[in-house]
Amino acid sequence: AQKITQTQPGMFVQEKEAVTLDCTYDTSDQSYGLFWYKQPSSGEMIFLIYQGSYDEQNATEGRYSLNFQKARKSANLVISASQLGDSAMYFCAMREPLSGSARQLTFGSGTQLTVLP
Amino acid sequence: DSGVTQTPKHLITATGQRVTLRCSPRSGDLSVYWYQQSLDQGLQFLIQYYNGEERAKGNILERFSAQQFPDLHSELNLSSLELGDSALYFCASSVGQTSREQYFGPGTRLTVT
Repeated sequence: AQKITQTQPGMFVQEKEAVTLDCTYDTSDQSYGLFWYKQPSSGEMIFLIYQGSYDEQNATEGRYSLNFQKARKSANLVISASQLGDSAMYFCAMREPLSGSARQLTFGSGTQLTVLP
Repeated sequence: DSGVTQTPKHLITATGQRVTLRCSPRSGDLSVYWYQQSLDQGLQFLIQYYNGEERAKGNILERFSAQQFPDLHSELNLSSLELGDSALYFCASSVGQTSREQYFGPGTRLTVT
């Protein structure tokens, strides 16, 4: 079974509008972390935002916020006031406890966001 | 700029060959992670090192190996290359074994012809 599911292969949004990118996850661990990364066409992976499973408040970082619904196992990324530079691939990722102390990331398949002028 | 460096940026080689990808983590980071991003498999974790020791293994083929040196830089060795090994290979680093954030390098794009 997929651990991280991103059901939107592509999304379009008008400049200055808000957009929500969906992410659902599957884990039996109580302690885990959820991440969003942005990958522009240049290829680098840019960390955007983090949400811990025990965090009571939704994470926010500037124009990015994470809509964390633990019971539904969803961690949607909300980008407010979209800019042309937001056009990129967006990945949701999860880190679960593993045996020992390793903390690898498991990624979803990504959502390609295009911001229209 | 994440502070993680990877060389080379691009690599083109033939099937059956062997290549070495190099990664220098951010100053002070002890953990190094390798990921492979391909069209078929998406982004997959390969292997993690912490302070010179292997800590976790993901979907890493037996033809692939890695190590982390005393100066904390890491190398990923890919041998008997196949067309399907063409991918973007990322290195990421973090301070500890369990640090929250992983900082990604710019990647090495490997093309096997």
